Amino acid sequence: QVQLQESGPGLVKPSQTLSLTCTVSGGSINTSRFFWSWIRQPAGKGLEWIGHIYTSGSTKYSPSLKSRVTMSVDTSKNQFSLKLSSVTAADTAVYYCAREAIFGVVPRWFDPWGQGTLVTVSS
Amino acid sequence: QSVLTQPPSVSAAPGQKVTISCSGSSSNIGNNYVSWYQQLPGTAPKLLISDNNKRPSGIPDRFSGSKSGTSATLGITGLQTGDEADYYCGTWDSSLSFVFGGGTKLTVL
Repeated sequence: QVQLQESGPGLVKPSQTLSLTCTVSGGSINTSRFFWSWIRQPAGKGLEWIGHIYTSGSTKYSPSLKSRVTMSVDTSKNQFSLKLSSVTAADTAVYYCAREAIFGVVPRWFDPWGQGTLVTVSS
Repeated sequence: QSVLTQPPSVSAAPGQKVTISCSGSSSNIGNNYVSWYQQLPGTAPKLLISDNNKRPSGIPDRFSGSKSGTSATLGITGLQTGDEADYYCGTWDSSLSFVFGGGTKLTVL
């Protein structure tokens, strides 16, 4: 079955750019049926959808993060990536990647999820 | 503060039934599919219910979902200690973002 795994630095300095990659195994990222999402969760808090990317490179970002987010996809490596610029302590969270089912271009549900990776923003 | 409102906590005894509510508006639940996720301590969320009431393969029929108007409900019957977790609802919102509820912590007494 499809599995997702996040990777990237666990510590990022304030004002710098957070960069994460999600590697998809057990299936191709190049599918018309799904989008690929990033979701984050600060410690002890709820879930926040960051945005998604399609295999074509088409993206949709959360309005609250849109000015700082860039997502990309590398179908040759079966990976997609997240960049979040100008980070502050408020961006400290566990970051999850997930496969996203859509209705039109609207997310319906997320499954499966990666195990998550903790990113701490601190000097 | 979440756009979708869930009770912070619910509890029930083993073997009993519990329901978790998720209240929204016509901007979100009222016009979009609702999904539910279970997050066991220290793990990633797991899809429990998709498209308001569909159980993915492998999810026991003890778990059920329903939607009426601008609210959705997750039901769990035959509670087990292993069901202790945080539960989140989620749906698309007209603010152009997918939104999650604040989460509900289930305690099996």
